[in-house]
Amino acid sequence: DAGVTQSPTHLIKTRGQQVTLRCSPISGHKSVSWYQQVLGQGPQFIFQYYEKEERGRGNFPDRFSARQFPNYSSELNVNALLLGDSALYLCASSARLAGGQNEQYFGPGTRLTVT
Amino acid sequence: AQKITQTQPGMFVQEKEAVTLDCTYDTSDPSYGLFWYKQPSSGEMIFLIYQGSYDQQNATEGRYSLNFQKARKSANLVISASQLGDSAMYFCAMREHLEGSNYKLTFGKGTLLTVNP
Repeated sequence: DAGVTQSPTHLIKTRGQQVTLRCSPISGHKSVSWYQQVLGQGPQFIFQYYEKEERGRGNFPDRFSARQFPNYSSELNVNALLLGDSALYLCASSARLAGGQNEQYFGPGTRLTVT
Repeated sequence: AQKITQTQPGMFVQEKEAVTLDCTYDTSDPSYGLFWYKQPSSGEMIFLIYQGSYDQQNATEGRYSLNFQKARKSANLVISASQLGDSAMYFCAMREHLEGSNYKLTFGKGTLLTVNP
């Protein structure tokens, strides 16, 4: 079975531009979460979606938005890019929302560079 | 808010020896879960081991074991018989409940493990 996939792998944008990152969860997984990992830090939670509804939002500005589609894939959008948005963006999927081990499986990430 | 602390920015170990990576946490939630992930230079986060707050025994997965000391709020990862392929960043994370049954993972800053031949 395929794992979590993300596209594109790498991306270079300039300040002020907009970017869309894509994620496909593991087959059968209905929950998708997005994390931002800046260099030298652990991942920071951005959003969680379950059954196409937003179920959690981290401490990020409104420039960050996301959505989940009927096939459970997800997009993360970032508007008006800043240099500080340069990071590895990780998508994680899980079978359900919470309880027990229910680990999140991570994709390879999209490395965004803002110049 | 929950907090995860990893005090070792970097650790070195000789191949075939054991190594312990430290993790302490802070939470007021009586029910929580602790995870360890490995992140190679490729960037992908790889799940290693899980410990639930109510689990009576320390978790083990192959060469990985979790030394869970609830009273001290520590969840150290022990890697036995280190291999060169174990060289990577290691993150400790806690499951934090959001509204209702939703949750997120809160990560520490990580420990860079280098295994020397």
